[in-house]
Amino acid sequence: KAGVTQTPRYLIKTRGQQVTLSCSPISGHRSVSWYQQTPGQGLQFLFEYFSETQRNKGNFPGRFSGRQFSNSRSEMNVSTLELGDSALYLCASSFSGQTTGFVGQYFGPGTRLTVT
Amino acid sequence: SQQGEEDPQALSIQEGENATMNCSYKTSINNLQWYRQNSGRGLVHLILIRSNEREKHSGRLRVTLDTSKKSSSLLITASRAADTASYFCATENNAGNMLTFGGGTRLMVKP
Repeated sequence: KAGVTQTPRYLIKTRGQQVTLSCSPISGHRSVSWYQQTPGQGLQFLFEYFSETQRNKGNFPGRFSGRQFSNSRSEMNVSTLELGDSALYLCASSFSGQTTGFVGQYFGPGTRLTVT
Repeated sequence: SQQGEEDPQALSIQEGENATMNCSYKTSINNLQWYRQNSGRGLVHLILIRSNEREKHSGRLRVTLDTSKKSSSLLITASRAADTASYFCATENNAGNMLTFGGGTRLMVKP
């Protein structure tokens, strides 16, 4: 099976612009989660989608949004970019949407976003 | 915000030695997981231990969980240079597929 893929891998944007990142989960996985990783704040949960519905949301401003399509592919969007949004954005997919069946998440290679 | 702390923040050992990393967390959990990350790339899932388990093994990895102390440890035995990476613990609470990560331990294994 192919792993989790994320596009693009690298991105440079200017403050005030918006950006859309894409994630394709492992085939058969219905849950997709997004995380932000920065040197200062570490790994932080953004949101999770399951069957096209946002099921969990982290503590991020409304500028961060996402969606999931019927084929489980997911996108996240950041509007009005700030310098502090520079980070590695990681997408993860998992097979089970139920807590009792959770066996770990499979992470993609990430998209490194630089905001100048 | 992060769930807890990892200790030590950095660890340097010789090949063949054992490496032990500790993780503490704050709230009740369903399970605790350990992940490895190489050079700012994606995370690789290593092992999951459920809240009703106390110890788990996978190859050269041994994980313990003490829910009364809200702590876990990861032991890598007979380390190799290829084990050089950052290691993160992550907890999953009753909210479902939402992981809360610790700050990580940077492990360097010298050949």
